Order: sequence, then structure tokens, then C-alpha cells
Amino acid sequence: NAGVTQTPKFQVLKTGQSMTLQCAQDMNHEYMSWYRQDPGMGLRLIHYSVGAGITDQGEVPNGYNVSRSTTEDFPLRLLSAAPSQTSVYFCASRIMTGYNSPLHFGNGTRLTVT
Amino acid sequence: SQQGEEDPQALSIQEGENATMNCSYKTSINNLQWYRQNSGRGLVHLILIRSNEREKHSGRLRVTLDTSKKSSSLLITASRAADTASYFCATDAPGNQFYFGTGTSLTVIP
Repeated sequence: NAGVTQTPKFQVLKTGQSMTLQCAQDMNHEYMSWYRQDPGMGLRLIHYSVGAGITDQGEVPNGYNVSRSTTEDFPLRLLSAAPSQTSVYFCASRIMTGYNSPLHFGNGTRLTVT
Repeated sequence: SQQGEEDPQALSIQEGENATMNCSYKTSINNLQWYRQNSGRGLVHLILIRSNEREKHSGRLRVTLDTSKKSSSLLITASRAADTASYFCATDAPGNQFYFGTGTSLTVIP
């Protein structure tokens, strides 16, 4: 099993450009989520999904869009990148049967917006 | 913000000593989880404690939970240089939202 795979590992964008961060998991997890990690701020939830066709906003959703057309994939779209979106982005998934299951993380995408 | 806070922000100890880090949170929870992050990597799950549990052990890890004070602690006994990492608590709140603390950076000196 590959677990949670994120691509790309690094990306540099200019202000106003758009891009999609990819996230795929092969564990058949219903729940998938996106976080951003900034120095001294821990991880903050951007968007999450509890199954194909269902998405919801987290703490910091502005400037980001998501969709969930399949169980495996949960891409994060930046429509018009801003320097404030410079961060490390993590995708995480978990099984939803009952509660009390851990999150499985990808290795992150480091994004710089100039 | 629903983020929790961790204390201390940074901790430096000698190999063989015990390391204790604390977490305070704001929401009601289903469970509380602790994660480790090595530099440049994703987070790895360490241990989970349910809201109706007060203490849990796993190997060299001991976690306590006090829901009345909305706080938890993680104790790593007999630390090793390989334990050097950042440690985060995360609350699994109703509504499928995880809230992470700000993290403790642990350095274990050989």
C-alpha cells in the first residue's frame, strides 16, 4: 500500500496563478482532509470530505476549492494564488467506521507564492 | 480559532531522561490523539485516548486526559536521540473536524 500520496512535493507560483495540489489514497478511507502548516501555528483544517460527492469547510477555507468525485482522490485548488498561501500543505485520510480512528498523512507539498 | 495549545513550545533533554509535554484544547471531543512529525515529513500517529479514558500506555508512551480541564499530557520515558521531532496533540471533535495544537519541538541530546 502506498498510503496517502501527495504531488507535487514542491511548487513555486506567482501571485494570481492557479494550481491544483493532488492527493490520492489507496486505503479506501471515506474521510479525507487538507491542512496547511505555518510556523508557530500548527496545522489548520482547510476543507474535508466524508465521502465521494460530499465536501465541507474547515477553519481556513477562503481561497481554496475542493471536490471529491472518487473515494481515492481529493484535489485542492488554488484559484488565484496569494503570498499569504505560502505554506506546507498536508492531505490526510481516515476510515470512518465508528469513531476513534487515526489520521494518515501524506508527506506534504511545500508551496511558495511570490 | 479552535486550535489547542501545547506547552512547552520547545524542550531539550538528555538521552535517557523523560519528556513531558502538555496540551490544552477548547472543544468537546470524541478522543484526543498525539502525532509526531520528523523534519520535512508528514505527521505519524502515536496514540489515541478516548474521551471516557483517563490514562493510556503504549510502549514508552503514557498519555493522560482530563476532560474537566480540557487538557492532556504525553510522557515519553527513557528518551532516545531518535525521539527528536515535533509532537502535536489533535482533538477529534464531533462533526468530523480535527483540531491540532501548536506543537512541542523535542530535542534529545545523545
